[in-house]
Amino acid sequence: DAKTTQPNSMESNEEEPVHLPCNHSTISGTDYIHWYRQLPSQGPEYVIHGLTSNVNNRMASLAIAEDRKSSTLILHRATLRDAAVYYCILMGGGSNYKLTFGKGTLLTVNP
Amino acid sequence: DSGVTQTPKHLITATGQRVTLRCSPRSGDLSVYWYQQSLDQGLQFLIQYYNGEERAKGNILERFSAQQFPDLHSELNLSSLELGDSALYFCVSSPGVRGYTFGSGTRLTVV
Repeated sequence: DAKTTQPNSMESNEEEPVHLPCNHSTISGTDYIHWYRQLPSQGPEYVIHGLTSNVNNRMASLAIAEDRKSSTLILHRATLRDAAVYYCILMGGGSNYKLTFGKGTLLTVNP
Repeated sequence: DSGVTQTPKHLITATGQRVTLRCSPRSGDLSVYWYQQSLDQGLQFLIQYYNGEERAKGNILERFSAQQFPDLHSELNLSSLELGDSALYFCVSSPGVRGYTFGSGTRLTVV
């Protein structure tokens, strides 16, 4: 499975934007970029996914580099409820569409 | 409520014992994945079933087995339990290709 690299931890202040980076230099043309997050004491939940174009939904935005070797998850206004571990995952047909989790980024949101 | 039901939520058992974890996927989802989350290993893919058939295997020990029944619910059987098997076990439900919903997990403690 293609690997992703994320910072171990990041910190943000409440109501400020947060940019969570992910490097995936070995991404293949058919790999989708998925983001999941895991709040304390809960199972991971889907945040967003994309292939080539930037994507927006009610939770976040996903900015994908033109060469697709990196992406950034953007939380427009962080809240205390956004404190979680964020996982960037590549998924494609070769992986049988299973999610392979790395260590993720622990996001701390300060009031 | 994610729509994925896992029972029991908590389980405490002794070494050498056998336990069964149960998962009911979201209505209409044909695919079930099992994941193990421990402090030192993170989230590890164990096994996937699609419409009753095993589709992919990950880091699943021989002491562990799973199956998906005609009504699409799935069971993960863990036998000859060891202290190191203590972990959170997540069931993931998917309609087939994209869109993965995690259950709230079963916390297994082996004493």
